Amino acid sequence: NAGVMQNPRHLVRRRGQEARLRCSPMKGHSHVYWYRQLPEEGLKFMVYLQKENIIDESGMPKERFSAEFPKEGPSILRIQQVVRGDSAAYFCASSQDRGGWTSGRTYEQYFGPGTRLTVT
Amino acid sequence: GENVEQHPSTLSVQEGDSAVIKCTYSDSASNYFPWYKQELGKRPQLIIDIRSNVGEKKDQRIAVTLNKTAKHFSLHITETQPEDSAVYFCAANSGAGSYQLTFGKGTKLSVIP
Repeated sequence: NAGVMQNPRHLVRRRGQEARLRCSPMKGHSHVYWYRQLPEEGLKFMVYLQKENIIDESGMPKERFSAEFPKEGPSILRIQQVVRGDSAAYFCASSQDRGGWTSGRTYEQYFGPGTRLTVT
Repeated sequence: GENVEQHPSTLSVQEGDSAVIKCTYSDSASNYFPWYKQELGKRPQLIIDIRSNVGEKKDQRIAVTLNKTAKHFSLHITETQPEDSAVYFCAANSGAGSYQLTFGKGTKLSVIP
């Protein structure tokens, strides 16, 4: 029973390059969330996706960042023209249904191991 | 939006002692409060969660209490062991039934053998 998979685990990019982070949810999970974690900080919500739909991207910067979760394949977080301030750990999480408390049931968000992005 | 404050930021205890971490939240509509443990360089893992219809939940050496009136919740770890050393994050959902979690900044717990 594989957990949430993320790759690459470490990614180094020069300023101005593009970064692509991939997330494969747990089997049977169709809800994916992306979080960013800066050093010594908590996790900050970026975007919530279901298959082929972006449900909430309120936590994602308006420019340079985009996310998708296609019908087939992993969810991808894409950062264009990276800057040093983008250096962080990016975690994705998945849940069976809407994470939190839906219809009286709790659906845990399971986290992946994260991708540590370093922009030089 | 929801705002979650967590204290203390660091905590050192002797092995066998208890550890308490406290969080406050701002959105009175929040109704789901998970706690995550993150070891160095690893993924956050859920250790316990509580919903707003209960005031306390316990799982072996770990317990969580919730005070809805005061809008705060706490994690209690008893009989601490060195393997409890990690960063602990509290979180609250952003409104009733919301999927979006707002996290505290974390507490680095060190258990001294």
